[in-house]
Amino acid sequence: DSGVTQTPKHLITATGQRVTLRCSPRSGDLSVYWYQQSLDQGLQFLIQYYNGEERAKGNILERFSAQQFPDLHSELNLSSLELGDSALYFCASSVDGGGGNTIYFGEGSWLTVV
Amino acid sequence: AQSVTQLGSHVSVSEGALVLLRCNYSSSVPPYLFWYVQYPNQGLQLLLKYTSAATLVKGINGFEAEFKKSETSFHLTKPSAHMSDAAEYFCAVIKSGSARQLTFGSGTQLTVLP
Repeated sequence: DSGVTQTPKHLITATGQRVTLRCSPRSGDLSVYWYQQSLDQGLQFLIQYYNGEERAKGNILERFSAQQFPDLHSELNLSSLELGDSALYFCASSVDGGGGNTIYFGEGSWLTVV
Repeated sequence: AQSVTQLGSHVSVSEGALVLLRCNYSSSVPPYLFWYVQYPNQGLQLLLKYTSAATLVKGINGFEAEFKKSETSFHLTKPSAHMSDAAEYFCAVIKSGSARQLTFGSGTQLTVLP
C-alpha cells in the first residue's frame, strides 16, 4: 500500500459526459501528480500540483482540468468525454517538488467511456 | 528533452534464470532514474532509484540496477527469476533541476516460464 488513495477504482460513463476522479496523497506529501496510462500512449504525465499551486503541465487536454485543495487532496475533472479517453488514470504524490524524492503511485482509476 | 528507451517490449525467462531488462536514457545532465513495476490490475510500485549517490543501486525483491554514464544505461537485473516477478516494468527519468515530471519508457512485460 503506497498510501495514495484514489476513488473511484472503476468508472463507466457515456461519451459527452463529465467525471471527477479523486486523489488523497500520502500523509505529509505536498506534491500531487496525475498520469494517464493507455495502450496506445503508454504512461503520460498530465499535470502536477504543489501545495495547492499548479507546478507543471504535461499532455493534458483542454477538456481536462485539475485542482489541489487546501487539505492537499486533488481532483481531476474530465469533460466532454470521448471513447479515446478510456484509460487508467493514476494519481501520485511526493514530499515536495524537487530533488530525488520518491514519487508514490496510487492504484489508479479505470475509466471506460462507452 | 530527457527520455528513456526500453529495449524489448516483451522478455521471457525461465524460473531461476537471470533477468535483464534494458533501459537507456538520453539526458544532457545527470538524471534521476527509476524502475517501477506494475503487477496486473495494480498501481506502480517503486523498485529502485538512482540519485547520483552510488552507481549500483539495490532495490526490493532482489532487483538491482547499475548506472553507466558512458553507456547512458540503467539496466535492471535479478540473478534468479521467480514466478512472482511476472509483471510489467517501467524505466523512468527525471532530469535533475527540472520540475519533477517522471518520463516513462514504454515498458517491458516480463514473463517467467516454469
